Amino acid sequence: NAGVTQTPKFQVLKTGQSMTLQCAQDMNHNSMYWYRQDPGMGLRLIYYSASEGTTDKGEVPNGYNVSRLNKREFSLRLESAAPSQTSVYFCASTRGGARSNQPQHFGDGTRLSIL
Amino acid sequence: AQTVTQSQPEMSVQEAETVTLSCTYDTSESDYYLFWYKQPPSRQMILVIRQEAYKQQNATENRFSVNFQKAAKSFSLKISDSQLGDAAMYFCAYGPNFGNEKLTFGTGTRLTIIP
Repeated sequence: NAGVTQTPKFQVLKTGQSMTLQCAQDMNHNSMYWYRQDPGMGLRLIYYSASEGTTDKGEVPNGYNVSRLNKREFSLRLESAAPSQTSVYFCASTRGGARSNQPQHFGDGTRLSIL
Repeated sequence: AQTVTQSQPEMSVQEAETVTLSCTYDTSESDYYLFWYKQPPSRQMILVIRQEAYKQQNATENRFSVNFQKAAKSFSLKISDSQLGDAAMYFCAYGPNFGNEKLTFGTGTRLTIIP
């Protein structure tokens, strides 16, 4: 019972490098989300996908792009990494549409450091 | 915009005792959901309990219960018979029950269990 799987778990990048964070869920959920978690700030929504083929900006989308490759997978890309993007990134999914009454299922997170 | 405030950055409780974590929120909506999520050192976010605003009865899940005061916009979490495994960051979250509005998270309370 994998749930939401994120890869990698840890990554160190240099400023200006690019990388893609991968997320996959095996629960046949429609909606998927990317958050970042910073000390003292809780979780902030970067992007979300209400259903396959759609994506929308969240609270802090600048510097990121996303792709909803299929119903299972939702990737987050940093085109040119900046130190301000050092954070822990979480992917989540919900069964229904992108309604906030749905409990979210989270992955284990990716700790990303930008030097 | 909605806000969620957790005014206790850290709390501690003796094992087997009861502890209450506070959460207040600001909204003009009447129909919404509230959540408590737990984040243990393993980093994964786990749903603890959910409350629907139109239900007056406080939600309960085993040792976890909430005190939902809608007029006061307060949503506290009570943990009874605290166990070592309860040690974690606890996040309160608010979500309006319409459209595609997303969850708003508080900044978290770190709970320490004293053996």
